[in-house]
Amino acid sequence: AQSVTQLDSQVPVFEEAPVELRCNYSSSVSVYLFWYVQYPNQGLQLLLKYLSGSTLVKGINGFEAEFNKSQTSFHLRKPSVHISDTAEYFCAVSEAVRSYQLTFGKGTKLSVIP
Amino acid sequence: DGGITQSPKYLFRKEGQNVTLSCEQNLNHDAMYWYRQDPGQGLRLIYYSQIVNDFQKGDIAEGYSVSREKKESFPLTVTSAQKNPTAFYLCASSITGAVNEQFFGPGTRLTVL
Repeated sequence: AQSVTQLDSQVPVFEEAPVELRCNYSSSVSVYLFWYVQYPNQGLQLLLKYLSGSTLVKGINGFEAEFNKSQTSFHLRKPSVHISDTAEYFCAVSEAVRSYQLTFGKGTKLSVIP
Repeated sequence: DGGITQSPKYLFRKEGQNVTLSCEQNLNHDAMYWYRQDPGQGLRLIYYSQIVNDFQKGDIAEGYSVSREKKESFPLTVTSAQKNPTAFYLCASSITGAVNEQFFGPGTRLTVL
């Protein structure tokens, strides 16, 4: 079975500063990896996904993530954050072979300070 | 517009009452899912269904029940056996057999008084 650890529950950052949200996973098989964003009292929206190929994945709203197989990590980055990026971010993993189930991390709350 | 709808947005019930949460999708997806979200705990899978008339328990199925009579609909009943039902409930759907990119509805916040 797979698992996901999001290392920071809360990350405060000043507007226009860079940010990295950390995600590590555990699995004995090949995986697909996802980052979702959730604004208050709303559902989740897909930011980006890694399936195969290039380890640097670009998503919506200027976010990108890098898959590192040796470190079993999939950290999310943005070079310059905006107030509107304030939200909760979830990392998720599914097994590539039996991909019908997603396992989510506990989330990281990003607070952008003006 | 294609998407997932959940109704109602907010729901209040008295303790001991069963309550059913609605989830409808027009994305023509085969698979549907129910998650429970509590602060600081992420999303936990309650039930999922990969095809009509079939569903499986997730990690926290106790106190919940589902049905899947139509491809578009996957209602969740929170029964009186669920000890702590107050939470935010999210429904999702995906294409079976492909990468499990799940699409989420807006959620229902259930408060049991």
